This record gives sequence, C-alpha cells and structure tokens, in this order.
Amino acid sequence: TQLLEQSPQFLSIQEGENLTVYCNSSSVFSSLQWYRQEPGEGPVLLVTVVTGGEVKKLKRLTFQFGDARKDSSLHITAAQPGDTGLYLCAGFWNSGGSNYKLTFGKGTLLTVNP
Amino acid sequence: DAGITQSPRHKVTETGTPVTLRCHQTENHRYMYWYRQDPGHGLRLIHYSYGVKDTDKGEVSDGYSVSRSKTEDFLLTLESATSSQTSVYFCAISEFGDPLDNSPLHFGNGTRLTVT
Repeated sequence: TQLLEQSPQFLSIQEGENLTVYCNSSSVFSSLQWYRQEPGEGPVLLVTVVTGGEVKKLKRLTFQFGDARKDSSLHITAAQPGDTGLYLCAGFWNSGGSNYKLTFGKGTLLTVNP
Repeated sequence: DAGITQSPRHKVTETGTPVTLRCHQTENHRYMYWYRQDPGHGLRLIHYSYGVKDTDKGEVSDGYSVSRSKTEDFLLTLESATSSQTSVYFCAISEFGDPLDNSPLHFGNGTRLTVT
C-alpha cells in the first residue's frame, strides 16, 4: 500500500489568514483528489489533479500537483469559518496491470476562528 | 448530493454479536465501497464491489464480509463484533473504477458503531 502523509495534522487559524496544507509521498500517483469532511458527514470531493505540475483553483482554494506526481498542496486564501473541516487527500496508484487502488491520507483538521 | 443512504446511523452492540450495516444508492453506480474511519488511521478500505455479486477485499477486511445482491444495495457484516471494530463506517459509490476517468467517490454520512 502506498502511503500519503498529510501535514500539519491540526491547524487553527484566525479568519482572514492564509494557509497551506501538504500531502506527500515517496510514491508516484496517477492522480490525486482532495476531499473536505464536516462533522457527522462523509467526505465531499473538492478537486482532482491529474497532470504533474497542474494547478487548479476553486474560489479561494488553490490545489497543486507536484511535477513528479508524488505530492500535492492545498492553499486557502483569506480563510473563513466556513472552511473549517477535515481535509483529506487521496491518491490513485497502480497496484499491478490495469488495477488501481485509492489511498487516503490521515487528514488535516482545520479550524478557522471568527 | 448523491443518493446514498446508510443505515443505521448509530448502533451500539455487544462483543461477539453479528452486525449488518446497509448502504443503499439511487444512482445506479457500478462501484460501491465500505471504509472505516478511525483517529490516527484515516479512511481505510474494508471491501468493495464492482458489480452485482462481484466483491473484493480491501486493506482491512479481516472480520468483515460483504454482499451485493442488487445494484443498489451493499451490505457489510461483522461476523462477531469486537471492540476493535468500534469505528465510523462509510459507504461510497463511484460511476467508474478507473482513476483515469477521475471518477470521484460519493460518500454516505456514515454509521457510528460502538462495540461494548
């Protein structure tokens, strides 16, 4: 199983601050997804990145896939309390032949204080 | 929201008893998954299904079995519940299983299971 390390594990900031969370691995991934999970609910997909070096923007969120497709980052500009949640990265990797598996990182728990 | 319903939402059971969790989807998606989420471990795949009566093991399948007799229903059974199976269980569905299609997972809202 390929491992995805997320950092930081916990992050507490004030409204209006910027932040970056990281998702790192020593393995190559075919694609990488970011999910956000709120208490009592299941994760919801934010974005999928496929190409090395790819950058995608979703309003105040910017996602980047590393050139070597081993890492990714999520940057939030001017964080708001509504951004509070658990952010999970998940990577697809080739487990042999045409089989792919999805591995999740352990998540970054973000709290944005008003 | 994707039409995924998990039942029950909460359950408390005793060690040694069998437990069945149900996942029902209205999306007619081929792929269905069971995950467990635990502090310090994140989401881990228990079993998945790629069609009716087609299932396979995930990374933490010991002590669990699954069945899929209809496209819309995927059942997870704990044969004899243990305290280590106390967790939040999530069902997920996807239209395609090939990551090259960038198929997202759609998750249900989870079942919180406590084994005493």
